[in-house]
Amino acid sequence: DTEVTQTPKHLVMGMTNKKSLKCEQHMGHRAMYWYKQKAKKPPELMFVYSYEKLSINESVPSRFSPECPNSSLLNLHLHALQPEDSALYLCASSQDTMAGGSTGELFFGEGSRLTVL
Amino acid sequence: AQSVAQPEDQVNVAEGNPLTVKCTYSVSGNPYLFWYVQYPNRGLQFLLKYITGDNLVKGSYGFEAEFNKSQTSFHLKKPSALVSDSALYFCAVREYPPERKGRRALTFGSGTRLQVQP
Repeated sequence: DTEVTQTPKHLVMGMTNKKSLKCEQHMGHRAMYWYKQKAKKPPELMFVYSYEKLSINESVPSRFSPECPNSSLLNLHLHALQPEDSALYLCASSQDTMAGGSTGELFFGEGSRLTVL
Repeated sequence: AQSVAQPEDQVNVAEGNPLTVKCTYSVSGNPYLFWYVQYPNRGLQFLLKYITGDNLVKGSYGFEAEFNKSQTSFHLKKPSALVSDSALYFCAVREYPPERKGRRALTFGSGTRLQVQP
C-alpha cells in the first residue's frame, strides 16, 4: 500500500474544462514531485516542490499549474489541455533535500490517469 | 549531467531461472542508484537503492543489485524468477552533489519489461 494518495484515479476532460489533480502524503516528507508518464515510457519530471516552494519547473506549458498549499498536499491544476496531454500523472514525495541527509528515494502514488477529449 | 541507460526493452526468462535486468549510468559526481518496479496501471514501487558501502545491495521481493563503479553499472538480479515478477522495471540515478543548484530529482531509464514464463 502506498502512503502517497492521489485523486482522482481516473479523469476525463474536454479541452475547455478546468480540473485539478490532488496528492497527499503524511510521511513528513518536505519534497514533492509531479511526473508525467506516457504508456510504456519512463516518468518525465514536471515540477518539484521543496519546503512548499517551487524549486524545479521542467519547462512545462502554463496550462499545467502546480500548487503546494502545505507540506502534505500537492495539486496540479489543469486548464485548456490538449489530447496529447493524456497520460498517467504521478505524484511522489521524498524525505528532504540532499543537504538534509536524504538519499533521495521517491515514494510514488498510484497515479491519476487523465484522458483529454 | 546525470543519465541512465537500460539497453534491453524486454527480458524473457523462464520461471525458476535467474534473471538480470541491465542498467548503466553516467554522472559527474557520485551516483545514488535506485530500482523501481511498475505493475500495469499502477504507480512505481521502490525496490532497492545503492548509496555507499557494499556493492551488493539487497531489496524487496528477493531482488538484489550489484554496483560496479568501473563499469558504471547497476544491474538488477534475482536468483529464481517468479511469474509474478513480470512487470516494467526502471533504473534511476541521482548524482551527489547535484550538478545544478536545486537539481534534486531522479533521472529514470527507459524501462525494461520483464516477462517470466511459467
